[in-house]
Amino acid sequence: NAGVTQTPKFQVLKTGQSMTLQCAQDMNHEYMSWYRQDPGMGLRLIHYSVGAGITDQGEVPNGYNVSRSTTEDFPLRLLSAAPSQTSVYFCASSPGSPSGYTFGSGTRLTVV
Amino acid sequence: TQLLEQSPQFLSIQEGENLTVYCNSSSVFSSLQWYRQEPGEGPVLLVTVVTGGEVKKLKRLTFQFGDARKDSSLHITAAQTGDTGLYLCISDSWGKLQFGAGTQVVVTP
Repeated sequence: NAGVTQTPKFQVLKTGQSMTLQCAQDMNHEYMSWYRQDPGMGLRLIHYSVGAGITDQGEVPNGYNVSRSTTEDFPLRLLSAAPSQTSVYFCASSPGSPSGYTFGSGTRLTVV
Repeated sequence: TQLLEQSPQFLSIQEGENLTVYCNSSSVFSSLQWYRQEPGEGPVLLVTVVTGGEVKKLKRLTFQFGDARKDSSLHITAAQTGDTGLYLCISDSWGKLQFGAGTQVVVTP
C-alpha cells in the first residue's frame, strides 16, 4: 500500500498565484485532513473531512478551499497565495475515531 | 477548543537514560494519540489510548492515560539515539484534531 501520497513535495509560488496541493490515500479511510506546520506554532488544522461530500473548517481555514468528491482524494486549494502561507503542509487520513492517523510526507511551500 | 499542554518543550539526554514527556488538558480527552516526527517527515503514530487508567507498552516506550482522562505520559526506558525526534500528543474529536506543541527529544551517544 502506498498510504497517503502528497504531491508536489516542493513548490515555490509568487504572491497572488493559485495552486492545488494533492492528497490521495489508498486505505479506504473515511477521515482526511490538512495541516500546516510552522516553526514555533506546531501543527494546525486547516480543513478536515469525515467522508466523501463532507468538509469542515479547522483552526486556520482562511485562504484555503477543500472538496471531497471521492473517498480517496482530498485536494487543498490555495486561492491567492500570500507569503504568510509559506509553510510545510501535511495531509493525513484515518479510518475514524479513535483510530490514529497516517500522515503524508508533506509539501514544502514557499510563497515569494 | 481543547488546550493541550505538553512538557517539557525540549529534552536532551544521553543514551541509556530514561525520560518522561507529559500531555495535559483542562478538559476530558475522548481519546489521545502519541506520535513521533523526524525531520522532513510526517508524524508517525505510536499509540492511541482511550480508557482512563490505561497503560500501553511499545518495546521501551510506556504510555499512560490518567484515570480522569485529562492527562497522559510517555516514558522511554534506556533511551537510544534512534529515539531522537519530536514527540506529539494529539486529541481526536471525531476528525477534528488538537495538538500539543510537541517535545523535542535529543538522545546523544
